[in-house]
Amino acid sequence: AQKVTQAQTEISVVEKEDVTLDCVYETRDTTYYLFWYKQPPSGELVFLIRRNSFDEQNEISGRYSWNFQKSTSSFNFTITASQVVDSAVYFCALTITSGTYKYIFGTGTRLKVLA
Amino acid sequence: GAGVSQSPSNKVTEKGKDVELRCDPISGHTALYWYRQSLGQGLEFLIYFQGNSAPDKSGLPSDRFSAERTGGSVSTLTIQRTQQEDSAVYLCASSLYVPDTQYFGPGTRLTVL
Repeated sequence: AQKVTQAQTEISVVEKEDVTLDCVYETRDTTYYLFWYKQPPSGELVFLIRRNSFDEQNEISGRYSWNFQKSTSSFNFTITASQVVDSAVYFCALTITSGTYKYIFGTGTRLKVLA
Repeated sequence: GAGVSQSPSNKVTEKGKDVELRCDPISGHTALYWYRQSLGQGLEFLIYFQGNSAPDKSGLPSDRFSAERTGGSVSTLTIQRTQQEDSAVYLCASSLYVPDTQYFGPGTRLTVL
């Protein structure tokens, strides 16, 4: 079975703190994609990053960084020096590519950054 | 248009009525997806289209739900005999090909009274 678990339902941090959002996935497929999306209060999901299963290189984009570890089936997301504008719900997602495609989203982590 | 558009943005209907939700993908995107997001929940994948065909309809919650896409562009999600549990935000996304990064529309908030 395929599954994405975001165990942190809600996190609150004070501005400028670093915060890590956890994502653990389950799949028996060897080829898959992992995504992070941001859903701000306005509601529209915004794409943040995509990773395929063969690329374990970590990525940094400004204050955002992602740590992909196949050994622990995790794809964690860190925001450095958080800002109030980072407040949103963040979704981790898994795409399975064998047979017909499957798209599995986690339940999301609500991040509140307090000024 | 520049992004994915959905209409209506809000729909209130009475239990038992049929509703149609429309999605207009980004021009040139071959793939189109429908999701449902219930209050405080994650996204539930419903169906995707590659061109005009939907390879797998097993994600649709019941046979009251159907979707079609014509001309490789606009898609319609139809819910027949709506029930209160159908109340949710219905999100549409499109991507250049499958699988690829999905770009989401603003959603249609459906309320079934």
